[in-house]
Amino acid sequence: DAGVTQSPTHLIKTRGQQVTLRCSPISGHKSVSWYQQVLGQGPQFIFQYYEKEERGRGNFPDRFSARQFPNYSSELNVNALLLGDSALYLCASSGAGTGWYGYTFGSGTRLTVV
Amino acid sequence: GESVGLHLPTLSVQEGDNSIINCAYSNSASDYFIWYKQESGKGPQFIIDIRSNMDKRQGQRVTVLLNKTVKHLSLQIAATQPGDSAVYFCAENRPAGGTSYGKLTFGQGTILTVHP
Repeated sequence: DAGVTQSPTHLIKTRGQQVTLRCSPISGHKSVSWYQQVLGQGPQFIFQYYEKEERGRGNFPDRFSARQFPNYSSELNVNALLLGDSALYLCASSGAGTGWYGYTFGSGTRLTVV
Repeated sequence: GESVGLHLPTLSVQEGDNSIINCAYSNSASDYFIWYKQESGKGPQFIIDIRSNMDKRQGQRVTVLLNKTVKHLSLQIAATQPGDSAVYFCAENRPAGGTSYGKLTFGQGTILTVHP
């Protein structure tokens, strides 16, 4: 079975540009979460989506947005990129069902803003 | 603010030794804890998890202990191997209520180095 897949794996953007990152969850998983991991730190929660609705948002500016599609895949959009947005962006999927979390992470998209 | 923290940022051991990585958490409402291993250039890899109604859980070469009284979590790796070298993160799940599955809050991370 395929795990969580993210694309692209690496990306270089210029300040002020916009970027879209993509994530496909594990088959059967209905929840997708996005995390930002700056070098040398632990991942920081950005968004959680379940059944195409936003269920949680971390402390990130409105430049960050996301959505989930009917097939449960997800996109993370970041507008007006800043140098500080350079990070590894991780997607995690988790299964449905009472009390089971089972977060599984993808390998991430390495975003470099220059 | 509330956070999950690690006591030791680095841990260096010899191959074959047992390793213990510690973690403190502050939110008593957290109901689920996970240990992740992250190798350079990769996403966090699930190692083992434990629910808040448990004190101990064992996996293959790994054991997680949860002490809710002092809000402490530890990961024990038996017979540590060079392939275990990585950054280890503990994470706590904080239920957001309703139909939300909550969010994971990660600690700082501990760098484990295993010398042959």
